[in-house]
Amino acid sequence: EAQVTQNPRYLITVTGKKLTVTCSQNMNHEYMSWYRQDPGLGLRQIYYSMNVEVTDKGDVPEGYKVSRKEKRNFPLILESPSPNQTSLYFCASITLNEQFFGPGTRLTVL
Amino acid sequence: DAKTTQPPSMDCAEGRAANLPCNHSTISGNEYVYWYRQIHSQGPQYIIHGLKNNETNEMASLIITEDRKSSTLILPHATLRDTAVYYCIGVSGSARQLTFGSGTQLTVLP
Repeated sequence: EAQVTQNPRYLITVTGKKLTVTCSQNMNHEYMSWYRQDPGLGLRQIYYSMNVEVTDKGDVPEGYKVSRKEKRNFPLILESPSPNQTSLYFCASITLNEQFFGPGTRLTVL
Repeated sequence: DAKTTQPPSMDCAEGRAANLPCNHSTISGNEYVYWYRQIHSQGPQYIIHGLKNNETNEMASLIITEDRKSSTLILPHATLRDTAVYYCIGVSGSARQLTFGSGTQLTVLP
């Protein structure tokens, strides 16, 4: 079954404690993306990757890092999380015409 | 990409057709109209897209006016599971970069 998985689904952490949210797809897509969703602000793109070792900033990249060492995985890294990064995060695996979204990761930074 | 305007909310009776409008008066000739939906806090789901011809798939129909300034997404027999936020998005080129607005909250009533 074609799918995008994210882990963890829920995370409560404290300011400054590094964390990684994993994203994996089994559709062999080259293009992947990370979004955050906040009330009243909609979905905003954080980073995207066009292929292995090729990444670029989206609209709200500050405070985030990504890596793309292999095609199926696209982890999102928060080196020093802050409360303003409390949000719902979505990973997407993308074809020319469609984006396949993961189930979301709800992150709370205290 | 064209700016789109959607009503913030709509209701529809279960079993009836849900007609969701979208205005995109500034759309250019090569811009597609894409529709996604997001069921409460789940990842957005692709529904359908079109350029100028009407389109139909197993989920919905998309009717685009001849001048392309507006379109309507039709869910022919709405069910309670169709309750979601529906996003209309104007896209030039590929759908790899999507800008989600605030969408229309569709509530299907029993």
